[in-house]
Amino acid sequence: GDSVTQMEGPVTLSEEAFLTINCTYTATGYPSLFWYVQYPGEGLQLLLKATKADDKGSNKGFEATYRKETTSFHLEKGSVQVSDSAVYFCALWANSGYALNFGKGTSLLVTP
Amino acid sequence: ETGVTQTPRHLVMGMTNKKSLKCEQHLGHNAMYWYKQSAKKPLELMFVYSLEERVENNSVPSRFSPECPNSSHLFLHLHTLQPEDSALYLCASSQESGRTYNEQFFGPGTRLTVL
Repeated sequence: GDSVTQMEGPVTLSEEAFLTINCTYTATGYPSLFWYVQYPGEGLQLLLKATKADDKGSNKGFEATYRKETTSFHLEKGSVQVSDSAVYFCALWANSGYALNFGKGTSLLVTP
Repeated sequence: ETGVTQTPRHLVMGMTNKKSLKCEQHLGHNAMYWYKQSAKKPLELMFVYSLEERVENNSVPSRFSPECPNSSHLFLHLHTLQPEDSALYLCASSQESGRTYNEQFFGPGTRLTVL
């Protein structure tokens, strides 16, 4: 079945460091891919998305490119801030049904 | 209130108790969802209601019973739970329009502890 694998956390970075959180997926067909973020004490928020191969999603300085050849959707940010500390979830939608398939989440802590 | 609200935010219950979680969405959406978020595990979709009818039920034990009285409200009734049911329960809503993906908006969750 469809699934998402993302790197284990926690990830600890200093402010202004470069961030990469790896995400790979397994799916039949051409799923849509998402990154969600969960700040402490809050629900999940959609951060960015890509619906077809080679699409780049971007928001708030974060980027991810849908790479079909490597079945990946890695999240990157050039310079993280303390306010980026949160849990990041990679997810896919198989273009049918209601279910989003989520990864286990990667906790990010950014220190001053 | 705006967005998706959930009450209570925290709940501690014994295995013999009966309690209910409440979710309300203020976005005019027509679909609502219950998810379970456990530590070190992916989010698990439990139930989906679209236009107030249950359209998906992912093999959830019968000790969890959902109710959707209208498009703005969703309940999760709990009875005779087990300690392994302790988790964060998230509610979400979306505007469904056929089979295209529409962003799900999440509430802050109810942190449930079963003793």
